[in-house]
Amino acid sequence: EVQLVESGGGFVQPGGSLRLSCAASGFTFGDYAMSWVRQAPGKGLEWVSGLSGSGLTTYQPESVMGRFTISRDNSKNTLYLQLDSLRAEDTAVYYCAKARGAVVISYYFDYWGQGALVTVSS
Amino acid sequence: QSVLTQPPSVSGAPGQRVTISCTGSSSNIGAGPDVHWYQQLPGTAPKLLIYGNSNRPSGVPDRFSGSKSGTSASLAITGLQAEDEADYYCQSYDSNLTGYVFGTGTKVTVL
Repeated sequence: EVQLVESGGGFVQPGGSLRLSCAASGFTFGDYAMSWVRQAPGKGLEWVSGLSGSGLTTYQPESVMGRFTISRDNSKNTLYLQLDSLRAEDTAVYYCAKARGAVVISYYFDYWGQGALVTVSS
Repeated sequence: QSVLTQPPSVSGAPGQRVTISCTGSSSNIGAGPDVHWYQQLPGTAPKLLIYGNSNRPSGVPDRFSGSKSGTSASLAITGLQAEDEADYYCQSYDSNLTGYVFGTGTKVTVL
């Protein structure tokens, strides 16, 4: 059974940093690209970072480029998201998601974690 | 602001059919990437509902179906049930943004 378990969420002041982790099990972790998707309170879904199975190729929207860093440790079956220079508008539940698809532009997210809440406030 | 537009809400009586549209442009749906759909029940993580425009993962009832045409896609729910009350999101890839995009989301209410 595929399981994705996020941790590391919490309360942080504007300008601060946080690192989220996502522990994966039930599949060959290194064979799959992974992503982070966030959801602000009462809002829709927003994709914020993606990483190839090898960890060599990163995908990010401009809105988080330079502030968020995605990485993975395939020996530990764990995905990470380093959040720096946090702003109030980064407050959201952050989900890690397993990607699948024949080609990158047609990837979809077939499994999701339960989410980690990040609150940015003074 | 999302580049994929969905109606904020749709509703129907039990047993009825409802459809949710997902309107994009030539830089996303119209450019060829597949469209996928997710269901998010209240207080839970999203769940994959339809992938590759019209394919259902194992365990998803055949009451759910998807289609894509031009710069738009649609999700249909037939035989609406109370347990279908949830938020639904479409997802694709945008070449201008060079990343994955989600629709604005649609809340389905069973009357």
